[in-house]
Amino acid sequence: EVQLVESGGGLVQPGGSLRLSCAASGFTFSSYAMTWVRQAPGKGLEWVSSISGNGGSTYYADSVKGRFTISRDNSKNTLYLQMNSLRAEDTALYYCAKVAGSCSGGTCLGDFDYWGQGTLVTVSS
Amino acid sequence: QSVLTQPPSASGTPGQRVTISCSGSSSNIGSNSVYWYQQLPGTAPKVLIYRNNQRPSGVPDRFSGSKSGTSASLAISGLRSEDEADYYCAAWDDSLSGVVFGGGTKLTVL
Repeated sequence: EVQLVESGGGLVQPGGSLRLSCAASGFTFSSYAMTWVRQAPGKGLEWVSSISGNGGSTYYADSVKGRFTISRDNSKNTLYLQMNSLRAEDTALYYCAKVAGSCSGGTCLGDFDYWGQGTLVTVSS
Repeated sequence: QSVLTQPPSASGTPGQRVTISCSGSSSNIGSNSVYWYQQLPGTAPKVLIYRNNQRPSGVPDRFSGSKSGTSASLAISGLRSEDEADYYCAAWDDSLSGVVFGGGTKLTVL
């Protein structure tokens, strides 16, 4: 059974940093691209970042480019999101999601077949 | 403002057929696959339709997707109370080099 468990969320001051983790199990982690999607309170879904299975290709939303870094440790079956220079508008529930199929980039990156339950990030003074 | 445009709300009575539209452009829906997600209250999203019109195993055939040009639609037939949820469309955008979501449509079953 595929499981994705996010952790690392919490309360942080504006300008601060946080690292999110997503522990994956139930599939061959290194074979699949992974993604972070966030949802601000009461708002819709927003794609944040994606990474290919071998970590060689990364993609970012303009809203986080230069501040967030996605990475993965395939030996630990874990996905990460390093978030720096956090702003109030980054407050959201952050989901990690598995990308379906053998996808390394482009059109298939929108296909998220499994999602975690999310970890809440609150940016506030 | 979302790159993909969806109506904020839709409604229907049990047994009815409802459709939710998703409008984009040549850089996203016009040249890439469309995906539809269902988010029940308080839960993580779940994929309903992938590659424009494909249903994952376990998704009832009451749900169907279509795409024409730069627009896509999700149709739900035989509406049931448990279909009350938020629905999102998504697609890769070649110009942005990223995934874009619609703003979401809240479906109410009257």
